[in-house]
Parts: sequence; C-alpha cells; structure tokens
Amino acid sequence: GAGVSQSPSNKVTEKGKDVELRCDPISGHTALYWYRQSLGQGLEFLIYFQGNSAPDKSGLPSDRFSAERTGGSVSTLTIQRTQQEDSAVYLCASSLGGDRGFHEQYFGPGTRLTVT
Amino acid sequence: AQTVTQSQPEMSVQEAETVTLSCTYDTSESDYYLFWYKQPPSRQMILVIRQEAYKQQNATENRFSVNFQKAAKSFSLKISDSQLGDAAMYFCAYRRRTGNQFYFGTGTSLTVIP
Repeated sequence: GAGVSQSPSNKVTEKGKDVELRCDPISGHTALYWYRQSLGQGLEFLIYFQGNSAPDKSGLPSDRFSAERTGGSVSTLTIQRTQQEDSAVYLCASSLGGDRGFHEQYFGPGTRLTVT
Repeated sequence: AQTVTQSQPEMSVQEAETVTLSCTYDTSESDYYLFWYKQPPSRQMILVIRQEAYKQQNATENRFSVNFQKAAKSFSLKISDSQLGDAAMYFCAYRRRTGNQFYFGTGTSLTVIP
C-alpha cells in the first residue's frame, strides 16, 4: 500500500512568512508524529497525535509552531513568522498506535524548509 | 525520562567487512521496544531491525543483527558483509511498551569504503 507522503518536498520561504507542511499518513494508522531534523543532526520530536486524544505538543519549540490533524488522517504543521533557524527537514511518521505491539514508525520523505 | 545515546557520530567500514554501531539507553522500565532505523542520503527513514526487551534472543534480519544486553542497557547493531548501499545515517530508537512516544539517538553516519 501507499506509504507516508509529505508535501511539498522542498519549500523556500522568506523570513517572516508563514508556511504549511502537509503529511498524509498510512491509511489506518492512528498515531502521527512530526519531527525536525537540522543539517546532520538527529531527530527532534515536535508533536504527536494519537486517535482522538489531545495531541502531545511538548516538543514544539515555540508558539509559532502549531499542528492539526483533521479527521484522524491528514496533518498540517504550520510555522508562523518563519525564522532562519527554522530551516531544517521536517519529517512526518505514522504508526498503528495503541499500547501494545511494536507499532514501529513509518516515515515520509520529509519536507526540506529553507528560510532566506 | 528516557534517553538514547549513540556515542559514535561517524563510522567507516571496508566493503564486505563487518561493523558494529553502538547504542545505549537509559530507562527505568522493564518492558520496552528498541529499533534501528537507516536514513540514506535520499533521507527516507527505513526500519532496519527491532527488538522486544522481554525477548532474550537477539533479533536478526539477513546481514543485520543486534547484540541486546538488557542489564547493560545496550543495543548495538552489527552489519555483516557491508555493502555500498549500507552507507547511511543510522538511528537507534526506544519506545516504552505502553504509550507511543519514541526516543531517538543522535545518529551514526556510516561510510562504506569500496
């Protein structure tokens, strides 16, 4: 079946502009995650959604970052008033979720954001 | 809080040789899951291998195997007969048995020398 997809694959924006990044998870996956990966760095957790539960926003670096997940499927990560330090690859992942079982994450190809 | 440590930022291996990537983690849980993910230059993260903490037997997937030492909280990845396509960033990850939060290490960049 189809994997996790993200759009756009690359985004160049001017400092101060808002951007929206989209993630389409694997059908049937109840858990959805957003990560940020700066050049040559590891994964920085941003936010995750599990079913209809309130999202875990503990990783969002500032109130300029927000995310929503509509209908338990597609998710949008919004960055307002972008700064140059927001330049990174934003990765989305989904998993079956639930408390038991491996429920490994399946990742999308990422969106490379460049703020000029 | 759980932390995952990969102490080797970079490693290199000769083609056809064996290399071991290290990973340690900190947890007070007794039951959890461990993963190794591979991120090639295309940046698509791919699951390489996974391990359940309550299983003593080390997981194996073709040329990839792990050395899971629960008492030492160590989860190293061994790649045998290394191939050029193994060149990538490798991330170790931890997940509690309950809940969905994953914790990733900072990664090890593996170079395969022809």
